[in-house]
Amino acid sequence: AQSVAQPEDQVNVAEGNPLTVKCTYSVSGNPYLFWYVQYPNRGLQFLLKYITGDNLVKGSYGFEAEFNKSQTSFHLKKPSALVSDSALYFCAVRSILTGGGNKLTFGTGTQLKVEL
Amino acid sequence: EPEVTQTPSHQVTQMGQEVILRCVPISNHLYFYWYRQILGQKVEFLVSFYNNEISEKSEIFDDQFSVERPDGSNFTLKIRSTKLEDSAMYFCASSGGSGISTDTQYFGPGTRLTVL
Repeated sequence: AQSVAQPEDQVNVAEGNPLTVKCTYSVSGNPYLFWYVQYPNRGLQFLLKYITGDNLVKGSYGFEAEFNKSQTSFHLKKPSALVSDSALYFCAVRSILTGGGNKLTFGTGTQLKVEL
Repeated sequence: EPEVTQTPSHQVTQMGQEVILRCVPISNHLYFYWYRQILGQKVEFLVSFYNNEISEKSEIFDDQFSVERPDGSNFTLKIRSTKLEDSAMYFCASSGGSGISTDTQYFGPGTRLTVL
């Protein structure tokens, strides 16, 4: 079985400060890892993914994430937060061992609040 | 930029009624998915569909649910006899195709289903 943990329900950060949203995962085999963002009354927007290669992946809107296999983590980061980054962030995992289903398992989400 | 679309944006129905939620995946994608998000909870996988058949389904996806690709563009989720607990946001997603990575799933804006 695959699972994702996002230990923080909410993260508050001041605009201009760096932000980190934490994610740990459990999966059989090597993982495919994803971050999605959800704005109010909107769908899930893809931010970035780790499939293989460099452990630091860069995505949309200046976000990046670092894959750490030993700690089974995939934390989302941004060097300088913007008020417009305020949204609900979901981490998701998929095993490369998955059959044709490609099922994604999501975490519970972390509400990011960036204040002036 | 191509995107997944869903109709209607909001569906209200009486318990026991049948509903059909519609999705138009990204045009050259071949893998299709339905997920749901009960208010305040995490996004849950329902079913994946490829080559006109179900690839994988969750335990949520019981005999009351069915999916269909009735033509070359639409992908539908039918709930035969709705229950109160079916009230949720339903997301359609699509990924991959000929020569295109299947890694990333792109989500539609969702249909909010309210069962009274």
